[in-house]
Amino acid sequence: LAKTTQPISMDSYEGQEVNITCSHNNIATNDYITWYQQFPSQGPRFIIQGYKTKVTNEVASLFIPADRKSSTLSLPRVSLSDTAVYYCLVVKDTGGFKTIFGAGTRLFVKA
Amino acid sequence: EPEVTQTPSHQVTQMGQEVILRCVPISNHLYFYWYRQILGQKVEFLVSFYNNEISEKSEIFDDQFSVERPDGSNFTLKIRSTKLEDSAMYFCASTGSYSYEQYFGPGTRLTVT
Repeated sequence: LAKTTQPISMDSYEGQEVNITCSHNNIATNDYITWYQQFPSQGPRFIIQGYKTKVTNEVASLFIPADRKSSTLSLPRVSLSDTAVYYCLVVKDTGGFKTIFGAGTRLFVKA
Repeated sequence: EPEVTQTPSHQVTQMGQEVILRCVPISNHLYFYWYRQILGQKVEFLVSFYNNEISEKSEIFDDQFSVERPDGSNFTLKIRSTKLEDSAMYFCASTGSYSYEQYFGPGTRLTVT
């Protein structure tokens, strides 16, 4: 499984766009990129997944360059409730099995 | 929206005792997982389970741990002889066929004294 590297923490203000970049240099051809959000004392919650280019859903966008060695999670107009830890994961396209969480990025949104 | 449930929410046990943590995955899901998270640390993969057998396990998942799907709905994690260092939040997760979206339960906080 490809190892991921993310910034340990980020600060932002309400209403701003936040971009969190994850490095996964050893990503394999059949690997997908997923992002999760975790609040204190809760289980992680799936945000978005992608393979290449750009994916957008109702909460976030995911940008993946052509070489797929990195990905950027974009959170538009964050609010205080977006304060959480965000994890980038690389998973194989087998639909399951071993999933490795990194240390994640602790996002703190200020008023 | 369907959800994964876990019981109990908090379990306190003495060192050396056996504990069973219970999970009810989403009904049509096929892949099941257990993770643990020690306070202030990252989420750690323990084991994945598919087609009634362990698919993969981490080095944490030693002989003290076992998993079982005793019926069509429950998925359990047993720790035979708990140690102080087993104190953590334990999360169960499930996912459907060919999906990367894992649905996590609310967790069981295990405290070993």
